[in-house]
Amino acid sequence: DIQMTQSPSSLSASVGDRVTITCRASQSISINLNWYQQKPGKVPELLIYAASSLQSGVPSRFSGSGSGTDFTLTISSLQPEDFATYYCQQSYSTPRTFGQGTKLKI
Amino acid sequence: QVQLQESGPGLVKPSETLSLTCTVSGGSISSYYWSWIRQPPGKGLEWIGFIHYSGSTNYNPSLKSRVTISLDTSKNQFSLKVSSVIAADTAVYYCAREEVAIDSSWFDPWGQGTLVTVSS
Repeated sequence: DIQMTQSPSSLSASVGDRVTITCRASQSISINLNWYQQKPGKVPELLIYAASSLQSGVPSRFSGSGSGTDFTLTISSLQPEDFATYYCQQSYSTPRTFGQGTKLKI
Repeated sequence: QVQLQESGPGLVKPSETLSLTCTVSGGSISSYYWSWIRQPPGKGLEWIGFIHYSGSTNYNPSLKSRVTISLDTSKNQFSLKVSSVIAADTAVYYCAREEVAIDSSWFDPWGQGTLVTVSS
């Protein structure tokens, strides 16, 4: 199985901050990396697919980069609605695996 | 717009079989890969497995011996069975479509999720 490791596990930030979350794969996964946002009690929502493609309807302050084993999710200017948990997920091979999550707190 | 909705019992006794169904609306199930994903309370996401519209399946080895995913194209539904459940199988269970492109794939959309509790 490909292990996905996110850092940090939690992060405190303020509205307007620029935030970066990192995801590392245990082996190369090319660009087969997706990012999801999950708010408490809600369904995970796709933010970024194929490492850097912005899902339709997602604000442009979200961006993704990376390939191989190292990936980042950046939020350029935090908004109140961005405080949530973020997960990376690899689709390079089965079993599909997720990172442990990064909780973004005020 | 494709929408997914899980249904099934919210309480299952230990050693019994958990059975859930995902109904797909707004589009045909006769395409894509269709997955089940679960999330224990307060924890992260775990992929259970998928079924392709052709009927081929792929399961997470951590659950493979206890999981069956099936497809009913006439009803636009796919289903999950997990046998011999234990308390650790308590989770919110999501169904999701896996969209596949030339060089990647991703889960979108997801169902609303259904909490299944394993308890006597």
